[in-house]
Amino acid sequence: QQQVKQSPQSLIVQKGGIPIINCAYENTAFDYFPWYQQFPGKGPALLIAIRPDVSEKKEGRFTISFNKSAKQFSLHIMDSQPGDSATYFCAASKDTGRRALTFGSGTRLQVQP
Amino acid sequence: ETGVTQSPTHLIKTRGQQVTLRCSSQSGHNTVSWYQQALGQGPQFIFQYYREEENGRGNFPPRFSGLQFPNYSSELNVNALELDDSALYLCASSNGQAVYGYTFGSGTRLTVV
Repeated sequence: QQQVKQSPQSLIVQKGGIPIINCAYENTAFDYFPWYQQFPGKGPALLIAIRPDVSEKKEGRFTISFNKSAKQFSLHIMDSQPGDSATYFCAASKDTGRRALTFGSGTRLQVQP
Repeated sequence: ETGVTQSPTHLIKTRGQQVTLRCSSQSGHNTVSWYQQALGQGPQFIFQYYREEENGRGNFPPRFSGLQFPNYSSELNVNALELDDSALYLCASSNGQAVYGYTFGSGTRLTVV
């Protein structure tokens, strides 16, 4: 049972574009929603995370938008760069991140120069 | 401050054999989790240890077992290997503070033939 659905599976944008990756969750007990970035041969690295008491969070060029009623959240990457080319995973957890992470299936992003 | 280190980086085993994967947590982290990442998929939670006790388990059979040691390093043991066990195995550690998230290692690539 997939509790976190992620789309699109892959995404190609030009440098400077704003890729948007979407996720939807089912379990209303989730209260912590991180995004991870993974490069080939490496483990996932935390990018940014949000809790359901806020609708938006920005850190540098990365923004999470959160819609609690729709049980959806998304990642926006402003002014994307070729170095942002990686696989991005959304995730969700209970107990503000102290419990297991449930990951989405991933989005492979390619930023063309 | 060192990160999470895993060993070995790659491993080839025969179906039916047993394997032990090792993880050294980031300094100061008392919680360790193990995840299985199949090719092209998001990581799937196997189990989590907090201060040497298992405190969460995903949908994996009992032939997947683990240990956490007093120095917070950890092992993942898999008995009776099956072809479907071929995957990247990720170790993640945390100090219990969600704001910092989990720190992942680069993983062990296990191939079962």
